[in-house]
Amino acid sequence: EPEVTQTPSHQVTQMGQEVILRCVPISNHLYFYWYRQILGQKVEFLVSFYNNEISEKSEIFDDQFSVERPDGSNFTLKIRSTKLEDSAMYFCASNGAPYEQYFGPGTRLTVT
Amino acid sequence: KNQVEQSPQSLIILEGKNCTLQCNYTVSPFSNLRWYKQDTGRGPVSLTIMTFSENTKSNGRYTATLDADTKQSSLHITASQLSDSASYICVVSRNNAGNMLTFGGGTRLMVKP
Repeated sequence: EPEVTQTPSHQVTQMGQEVILRCVPISNHLYFYWYRQILGQKVEFLVSFYNNEISEKSEIFDDQFSVERPDGSNFTLKIRSTKLEDSAMYFCASNGAPYEQYFGPGTRLTVT
Repeated sequence: KNQVEQSPQSLIILEGKNCTLQCNYTVSPFSNLRWYKQDTGRGPVSLTIMTFSENTKSNGRYTATLDADTKQSSLHITASQLSDSASYICVVSRNNAGNMLTFGGGTRLMVKP
């Protein structure tokens, strides 16, 4: 069964560094998303992406964040100048047909 | 403000017993409501999705209900198994919001032998 994959599973970085989180959505899907979940808190929407552009973003998704689909398979989330409060699980999701979203296993980002 | 609230926050039941989890939402305009199961440290996995016109949907031992008038939903788990131990998250999607989802805080269910 096709699934969303994410790499790395765990990323440790120092405050102020840039990180790129990678996702490979399900191959025939057209809509892509990033979410984050701070430990013990709700999952929060960051951004949705369709047709090579951002379709919606939350107030969390400020200039520190950017997304890119550099080729036909990868979907990346870049966080510039990481802060301690960026430590969280970051989930990628994708869907083809309306409604259903398939989530990846997540990348645990730890900023020290 | 668009919010999804769930109760109880946590629940412990014995294997084989049934349980019902509750969800109230204020998300508007409403598109659909989903229940997800999330194991610790993993991504959410969809259990059910209901649109405005649907008031019940089943997936195996999971049955979800939706009352769009009162903006309430429930997830009923029948004959619980140890593997049901997880967080169950109610998620609501808004119309005209590019599939942007609003998540509840989840109910952490523990099934004991």
